[in-house]
Amino acid sequence: DAMVIQNPRYQVTQFGKPVTLSCSQTLNHNVMYWYQQKSSQAPKLLFHYYDKDFNNEADTPDNFQSRRPNTSFCFLDIRSPGLGDTAMYLCATSREGVQAGNEQFFGPGTRLTVL
Amino acid sequence: GNSVTQMEGPVTLSEEAFLTINCTYTATGYPSLFWYVQYPGEGLQLLLKATKADDKGSNKGFEATYRKETTSFHLEKGSVQVSDSAVYFCALAPITGNQFYFGTGTSLTVIP
Repeated sequence: DAMVIQNPRYQVTQFGKPVTLSCSQTLNHNVMYWYQQKSSQAPKLLFHYYDKDFNNEADTPDNFQSRRPNTSFCFLDIRSPGLGDTAMYLCATSREGVQAGNEQFFGPGTRLTVL
Repeated sequence: GNSVTQMEGPVTLSEEAFLTINCTYTATGYPSLFWYVQYPGEGLQLLLKATKADDKGSNKGFEATYRKETTSFHLEKGSVQVSDSAVYFCALAPITGNQFYFGTGTSLTVIP
């Protein structure tokens, strides 16, 4: 089945130790998104790629970086995680921009814990 | 600007009760509207959507009607089941840009 896959599902890291989260998709969608979702809150968009064009949200900390080496894969790099970065990280895709009514397809998420 | 205001929870209902979760929005023009559901420990799944005024989205017994005059997209289900226990998010996709705007989510617990 076509889907959005995230690895790992659970990640524990030490304060300040870099971590990379992975997302892959078999949908061949042009747009990929990374969201941060803290407990009992709505997902917060960090950034998205439209094909190779990177779009960073204004309030995304510099500590968060992303790479999209090809259509299928997108990575979230957290260079120096802080305790406040403990959250669920959700990857999503859409065929084209959401303004045309295209839905976003979400992966199962990576639950990151920073100790 | 764009925003979504969603009924606060948590909501607890008995099985077979009627469900309404209110959602209102602020946006320019005619955005697309969505309801997503999130089961514990999982990502978000699309429940239903509507892309123009007066459209009704429906899926798995859930319905929501796009009301431009009241800027609302309330979620309803006639008879909830224990398996409907989850968090429900209302979301808006504006006519420009690639960002979804999510409501804060409503947690629903259905008890037997």
